[in-house]
Amino acid sequence: KQEVTQIPAALSVPEGENLVLNCSFTDSAIYNLQWFRQDPGKGLTSLLLIQSSQREQTSGRLNASLDKSSGRSTLYIAASQPGDSATYLCAVRPHGQNFVFGPGTRLSVLP
Amino acid sequence: EPEVTQTPSHQVTQMGQEVILRCVPISNHLYFYWYRQILGQKVEFLVSFYNNEISEKSEIFDDQFSVERPDGSNFTLKIRSTKLEDSAMYFCASSATGLAALTGELFFGEGSRLTVL
Repeated sequence: KQEVTQIPAALSVPEGENLVLNCSFTDSAIYNLQWFRQDPGKGLTSLLLIQSSQREQTSGRLNASLDKSSGRSTLYIAASQPGDSATYLCAVRPHGQNFVFGPGTRLSVLP
Repeated sequence: EPEVTQTPSHQVTQMGQEVILRCVPISNHLYFYWYRQILGQKVEFLVSFYNNEISEKSEIFDDQFSVERPDGSNFTLKIRSTKLEDSAMYFCASSATGLAALTGELFFGEGSRLTVL
């Protein structure tokens, strides 16, 4: 059964720093991986979707990489801003299952 | 930009009562999902729906739960007799294609918070 973990659980950084959020999954047989942002009490906003055949995707200041063989993905945020403060979730779509979510990384960017 | 909309945003109900949560998926999407998130816990899959029938469901989705697409736009989740442990945020999601396809990106609504007293 697929398990998804995210490290760190929480992160606090000063504005302007570049940062990396990590996602690990136990079974490399996946169709794709999706990163989401969740603001407190709100829904999930899709950030990036990486297909299993891709190595990375970029959108603005965000870059997500995927190393399927080692069961890892990273979300890189460049030049962080206070508005980036949120919980970041990764979710993998394993073969034969629906999306499995990680517990999230709670990010605080301090002005 | 097209979005998934959910109503109500918050519902408070007494244990044992029936609840219906409503969703309007993105208009050209064909696959619909319900997920839930108990406070402080992971987002969990409940059920997926395609072509007017359930395509997958989790062990959480027992006989107390049902889904329906009563017309061309709405997608509903019904909980027949709510329990305290049903208190959670319920998210509806849709995708244009199946999640195994190259464009199988999930789009979520803002959620419906259910509080069972």
